[in-house]
Amino acid sequence: NAGVTQTPKFQVLKTGQSMTLQCAQDMNHEYMSWYRQDPGMGLRLIHYSVGAGITDQGEVPNGYNVSRSTTEDFPLRLLSAAPSQTSVYFCASSQTGTGDTEAFFGQGTRLTVV
Amino acid sequence: GESVGLHLPTLSVQEGDNSIINCAYSNSASDYFIWYKQESGKGPQFIIDIRSNMDKRQGQRVTVLLNKTVKHLSLQIAATQPGDSAVYFCAEILHSGGGADGLTFGKGTHLIIQP
Repeated sequence: NAGVTQTPKFQVLKTGQSMTLQCAQDMNHEYMSWYRQDPGMGLRLIHYSVGAGITDQGEVPNGYNVSRSTTEDFPLRLLSAAPSQTSVYFCASSQTGTGDTEAFFGQGTRLTVV
Repeated sequence: GESVGLHLPTLSVQEGDNSIINCAYSNSASDYFIWYKQESGKGPQFIIDIRSNMDKRQGQRVTVLLNKTVKHLSLQIAATQPGDSAVYFCAEILHSGGGADGLTFGKGTHLIIQP
């Protein structure tokens, strides 16, 4: 059982480059989300999805796009990378329903924009 | 804006002692709280949760206390071990059915275990 898998683990980009951070989960969870974690700060929500075909913005969505074409995958796209997007990115998923909202996190992607 | 925060950025305890990590929240509408542990280089891991209709919940060596009157949450770790060294985050959810999208995280407390 892989849980939540993020790729790549590390990435260095030049300013203006684009890239996609991949996230996949094998738990058939409806909810998926992306967070960024910066030094001295907690995780901040970028985008989230409550199911395939549905996405919405979180606290810090600017500069990022997402799509959710399948239940399993939730990629995060940086269209034109900026140094301010240097951070550690975490993908999370959780099952639907009211009884259990525990979020399972991936191992993170450490992104550096130079 | 309303936020979840922690009182101390770093907590140092002796191995074998009990640890108490505190968290203050400001949104009285929050109805679900979770503590996460994050080890260096890893993603957050669920420790324990509590709903707003409870005051206390116990797990294995961990206890979460919720004081709604003062909007305070604490995580108690009994007999701390070297493996407990990590950053601990509290998180709140406004709607218990909100799933991962509804999590608001505090800034974290770094727990250091001294031998």
